[in-house]
Amino acid sequence: GAVVSQHPSRVICKSGTSVKIECRSLDFQATTMFWYRQFPKQSLMLMATSNEGSKATYEQGVEKDKFLINHASLTLSTLTVTSAHPEDSSFYICSATNQGFEQFFGPGTRLTVL
Amino acid sequence: KQEVTQIPAALSVPEGENLVLNCSFTDSAIYNLQWFRQDPGKGLTSLLLIQSSQREQTSGRLNASLDKSSGRSTLYIAASQPGDSATYLCAVPGGGGATNKLIFGTGTLLAVQP
Repeated sequence: GAVVSQHPSRVICKSGTSVKIECRSLDFQATTMFWYRQFPKQSLMLMATSNEGSKATYEQGVEKDKFLINHASLTLSTLTVTSAHPEDSSFYICSATNQGFEQFFGPGTRLTVL
Repeated sequence: KQEVTQIPAALSVPEGENLVLNCSFTDSAIYNLQWFRQDPGKGLTSLLLIQSSQREQTSGRLNASLDKSSGRSTLYIAASQPGDSATYLCAVPGGGGATNKLIFGTGTLLAVQP
């Protein structure tokens, strides 16, 4: 149990385009989902916390207009990187929790912006 | 502000050795601490979660300890195998709630030589 999926696993796009990443909890209802970003050889940094049916809470320094987060249901959250630029290239990982003590992580999405 | 650090940053050992990874955190008021494994280009696999009331948790060849008062946790890996090669991350909740955002350590890159 407690499986979280992400789609796509890898995406390459041109600078200026928008990219949507999906995070799904497959076998449980996720009241809260988190979005992390990981640059090469660095640890995970939280970008935002997403609660179902409400606006996401962004960490300091994360542009909410650039990284749009939608958590419309208890099993799906989406992260849209708008007008992507090469510096947005990173590994994006989501996690989900159902108010328990553990967060369950997705397999990640590798974004490369040319 | 909670800060989590891990030492060493990298470790290389021959197969069969027992080893210890260290994690320290600045704010001892934590609800739990988790250890994760991350293979290159992949998401996170949860290894062990220790509640604040516990002193250690074991899973197979892995044993994690927690000393809240000193702000430290260790991950002990017995009889290491090449398949244990990965980056190991520890994480603690960053806020007042057990389901709050996770603050990750800097990670330890482990290489087990056959």
